[in-house]
Amino acid sequence: AQSVAQPEDQVNVAEGNPLTVKCTYSVSGNPYLFWYVQYPNRGLQFLLKYITGDNLVKGSYGFEAEFNKSQTSFHLKKPSALVSDSALYFCAVREGPGNTPLVFGKGTRLSVIA
Amino acid sequence: DAGVIQSPRHEVTEMGQEVTLRCKPISGHDYLFWYRQTMMRGLELLIYFNNNVPIDDSGMPEDRFSAKMPNASFSTLKIQPSEPRDSAVYFCASSLVGIDTQYFGPGTRLTVL
Repeated sequence: AQSVAQPEDQVNVAEGNPLTVKCTYSVSGNPYLFWYVQYPNRGLQFLLKYITGDNLVKGSYGFEAEFNKSQTSFHLKKPSALVSDSALYFCAVREGPGNTPLVFGKGTRLSVIA
Repeated sequence: DAGVIQSPRHEVTEMGQEVTLRCKPISGHDYLFWYRQTMMRGLELLIYFNNNVPIDDSGMPEDRFSAKMPNASFSTLKIQPSEPRDSAVYFCASSLVGIDTQYFGPGTRLTVL
């Protein structure tokens, strides 16, 4: 069975500092990994995904994520946080291509403090 | 494209009433998903369809919940009768097979009094 864990419920960071939101996964085969962001009273928005290729994936709003197969991790990063980055972030995984839906983590709330 | 469209955006009803939530997926997408989000349980997958056919409804909490997809551009999630514990935000999402990225609608905030 596939699963994803976001070990931190809340991450606080000062504006201008780098941010990291952690995600680890468990699948039997090759993972397809995703990050989504949810702003207050909005639906989830796709940020980026890793399917294959370069381990560093760049996405929307200056975010990037690094796929690490040995550590089964896919942490979300941004070099310089903005107050407007404050939101709920979800990591999701599925095992390869096919017909199974994404499995979402419980979410990490990011607060960027001015 | 307008993205995934959901209606209504907000619904307030009384316990025992029937509630119908609606979703229009992105044109050309052949997967449609219904999720429920609460503070306590996070994001839960309720049911998903492929080419209008329900594939997995194991996430539907009980028989009071039902979902249909009569055609490729429309789906409904019905709760009958509704209960206060059904209060949540319900999201619809769609995706194109082989590409996997799910695109979410803005959600329907349901409050059952």
